[in-house]
Amino acid sequence: DGGITQSPKYLFRKEGQNVTLSCEQNLNHDAMYWYRQDPGQGLRLIYYSQIVNDFQKGDIAEGYSVSREKKESFPLTVTSAQKNPTAFYLCASSKAPWDTIYFGEGSWLTVV
Amino acid sequence: EDQVTQSPEALRLQEGESSSLNCSYTVSGLRGLFWYRQDPGKGPEFLFTLYSAGEEKEKERLKATLTKKESFLHITAPKPEDSATYLCAVSTYGSSNTGKLIFGQGTTLQVKP
Repeated sequence: DGGITQSPKYLFRKEGQNVTLSCEQNLNHDAMYWYRQDPGQGLRLIYYSQIVNDFQKGDIAEGYSVSREKKESFPLTVTSAQKNPTAFYLCASSKAPWDTIYFGEGSWLTVV
Repeated sequence: EDQVTQSPEALRLQEGESSSLNCSYTVSGLRGLFWYRQDPGKGPEFLFTLYSAGEEKEKERLKATLTKKESFLHITAPKPEDSATYLCAVSTYGSSNTGKLIFGQGTTLQVKP
């Protein structure tokens, strides 16, 4: 089945550590996105990529980094510079930037 | 500033009791309005896209409508399995090249049997 796969589902980070969240899609979509969801707040855009080897910062990119070396993959690294990383992270994709965006199942990141 | 507001924040219904969720938006050039359903601990599931005022779309017990200032998600004779958080999001002409969606905070619906 076509879809967006995020892993791991649950991740724990120690202070000062970098962690990487994986996102893979087999929908043949060109555009991919990372959103962050916090309780009581709407989803906020972290990074987006419209094409392989290109990506742009979203509204809350500080403390995060991404890469887009393959069309299918858009991993997100949460660096130690991100002061409040505990959240639910959602990867998404669309055929084109103006098309309907579809989401993965999400990854929970907790700082311990 | 582009803004999306959903109301109510929470809604409790008895099974079979129809109601509507509201999504009001203030944006500079609406390109599309999207409705998603989100179950606890899961990613949002796409429901509808609306592009122009007067447009309506239906899926099972759900019907989405759009005006120039707001959208409604009508739920007819809801069942307990309709319990979820419903998210509204907009895409604007200014952001359409980025794919960025502006989300409301959601309405959490609980349907009791």
